[in-house]
Amino acid sequence: DQQVKQNSPSLSVQEGRISILNCDYTNSMFDYFLWYKKYPAEGPTFLISISSIKDKNEDGRFTVFLNKSAKHLSLHIVPSQPGDSAVYFCAALHGSSNTGKLIFGQGTTLQVKP
Amino acid sequence: DAMVIQNPRYQVTQFGKPVTLSCSQTLNHNVMYWYQQKSSQAPKLLFHYYDKDFNNEADTPDNFQSRRPNTSFCFLDIRSPGLGDAAMYLCATSWDREDEQYFGPGTRLTVT
Repeated sequence: DQQVKQNSPSLSVQEGRISILNCDYTNSMFDYFLWYKKYPAEGPTFLISISSIKDKNEDGRFTVFLNKSAKHLSLHIVPSQPGDSAVYFCAALHGSSNTGKLIFGQGTTLQVKP
Repeated sequence: DAMVIQNPRYQVTQFGKPVTLSCSQTLNHNVMYWYQQKSSQAPKLLFHYYDKDFNNEADTPDNFQSRRPNTSFCFLDIRSPGLGDAAMYLCATSWDREDEQYFGPGTRLTVT
């Protein structure tokens, strides 16, 4: 039972345009969501997060939107740059369970073409 | 720079031969985690330490053990590796359990 799903295994975008990566979850107890970026042969790098009490969090070119009623979140990258090409993982945390257990989606490979 | 370091980056072991993977951190974080990531799959939590408290995931095989001798170091021991244990092993740390986790570069384990 996959509690966090990234239904698009890959996405290709032109440099300068917007990249939108999507993530759906099933567990309504999740209260903290994170996006990680992973380059080949490296570990995931924390990118941005959002608490369930918010519906938007912005950090430079990166914005995460959370729609709790739809159990959906998305990461917007604008403008996209070739250096953004990587695998993006969505992850969710049930903070009040106090387990620290991140549940990851399977990742979306983003390719930004020059 | 504060960071999470994993050694070695690549490890080859034989079927059934015990192997130890190492993780160290300079972040002084309380929590250290070990994840297993198989090809094209999401990282899967094996266990974590909150300070000295060990927390095992229910579905982590007994073949996998961990040690945390001090705040900075954490080890993953695989007692009898099988072919199915070939994967990327990721170490992560966080200040507290509900905080974002910072990952090391991973160790890719090959079992021959």
